[in-house]
Amino acid sequence: DQQVKQNSPSLSVQEGRISILNCDYTNSMFDYFLWYKKYPAEGPTFLISISSIKDKNEDGRFTVFLNKSAKHLSLHIVPSQPGDSAVYFCAASGVSSNTGKLIFGQGTTLQVKP
Amino acid sequence: GAVVSQHPSWVICKSGTSVKIECRSLDFQATTMFWYRQFPKQSLMLMATSNEGSKATYEQGVEKDKFLINHASLTLSTLTVTSAHPEDSSFYICSARDRRRGGGGSADTQYFGPGTRLTVL
Repeated sequence: DQQVKQNSPSLSVQEGRISILNCDYTNSMFDYFLWYKKYPAEGPTFLISISSIKDKNEDGRFTVFLNKSAKHLSLHIVPSQPGDSAVYFCAASGVSSNTGKLIFGQGTTLQVKP
Repeated sequence: GAVVSQHPSWVICKSGTSVKIECRSLDFQATTMFWYRQFPKQSLMLMATSNEGSKATYEQGVEKDKFLINHASLTLSTLTVTSAHPEDSSFYICSARDRRRGGGGSADTQYFGPGTRLTVL
């Protein structure tokens, strides 16, 4: 049972334009969501997170939006840069699991073309 | 801040030997660390949760006698792949939970190490 889903395996955008990566979840107990960026043969790098008490969090070029009723979150990157090309994972955790375990989506490969 | 290191970054070993991978939190204390495995073009699969001073919690389907985890201090967890076989070849990644950045509970962010590429011949 895939509790966190990234339905788009890949996304290609032009440099300078907006990249929108989407993520859906099924477990209503999730209350904390994170986005990670990963290059091949490297560990994921934390980008941005959002708590379920918010619907938006912004950090520089990265903005995460959370729609709790739709169980949907998205990561916006504006403007996109070639160095943003990587695999992006969304992850979720729930208050019921104080272990801090994260459930990851399958990842979306972003390619930003110069 | 929140840097996590792994050693070695890659290792090649013969079938039947054991391999130890270290995960260290460099600038914070981590009572909880996590070990993941990633197959090519797939997501990260959580193998186990490593708790300082207590036994690790393994995910379903992960052999605890095969993947030994020790979390002896607040900054170090080790994963030992015992009697490695070619099917154990994979990319192993650890993460550490930085409790300074949240109010506890699920609002903690995990920071990942750079990963270890294990190849078993």
